[in-house]
Amino acid sequence: QVQLVQSGVEVKRPGSSVKVSCKASGDTFSSSNYGITWVRQAPGHGLEWMGWIIIVFGTTSYAQKFQDRVAITADKSTSTSYLELSSLRSEDTAVYYCARARDSNGYGYYFDYWGQGTLVTVSS
Amino acid sequence: DIQVTQSPSSLSASVGDRVTITCRASQYISRYLNWFQQKPGKAPKLLIFAESNLEGGVPSRFSGSGSGTEFTLTIDSLQPEDFATYYCQQSHNPPYSFGQGTKLEIK
Repeated sequence: QVQLVQSGVEVKRPGSSVKVSCKASGDTFSSSNYGITWVRQAPGHGLEWMGWIIIVFGTTSYAQKFQDRVAITADKSTSTSYLELSSLRSEDTAVYYCARARDSNGYGYYFDYWGQGTLVTVSS
Repeated sequence: DIQVTQSPSSLSASVGDRVTITCRASQYISRYLNWFQQKPGKAPKLLIFAESNLEGGVPSRFSGSGSGTEFTLTIDSLQPEDFATYYCQQSHNPPYSFGQGTKLEIK
């Protein structure tokens, strides 16, 4: 059974950085069929795709909106992905989710398993 | 970037009803369209991938169809546990954008 377990609640000051972790069980980190994606959800709002990493190749892709201040990494030795977001502002207050991205063999990747979410609050 | 527009934004229905949610992509995306269900305080749950493929464990009352730019999620015979928010998401090109969501409420 695949599980993604994320790190806990974070409270940050504007201008600082946050690093959220996502530890996966199963073969997610050893197969080219999978990646890890990060999605956030501001309070009362919808889902917003931030970026992803194809773990085996180490390749990343980010939404333009976050390009300058986001980094997604993966540590294969611990089966853990990290999302680091810098220059935080109040609008970054949200629940951040990681999810496994699975190759559908012809129609792109889909997000089949999700972490429980990590609340990041940015406040002075 | 591909824009994904979902409608309606909210919907009231009764147990046993059949409902349809629509998602429109700003360009042709073939079958690169997925559907999720989200309940309050929970992570999204994958229902359908690649337009019409039911994820394992998802009840067969959920179905998806499409035409390359317009897609529908249909729920036959609504059950109490189906009242939630639904999102479509395109997986054709990054950024893998989501629709705005459809909140399905009990009438």
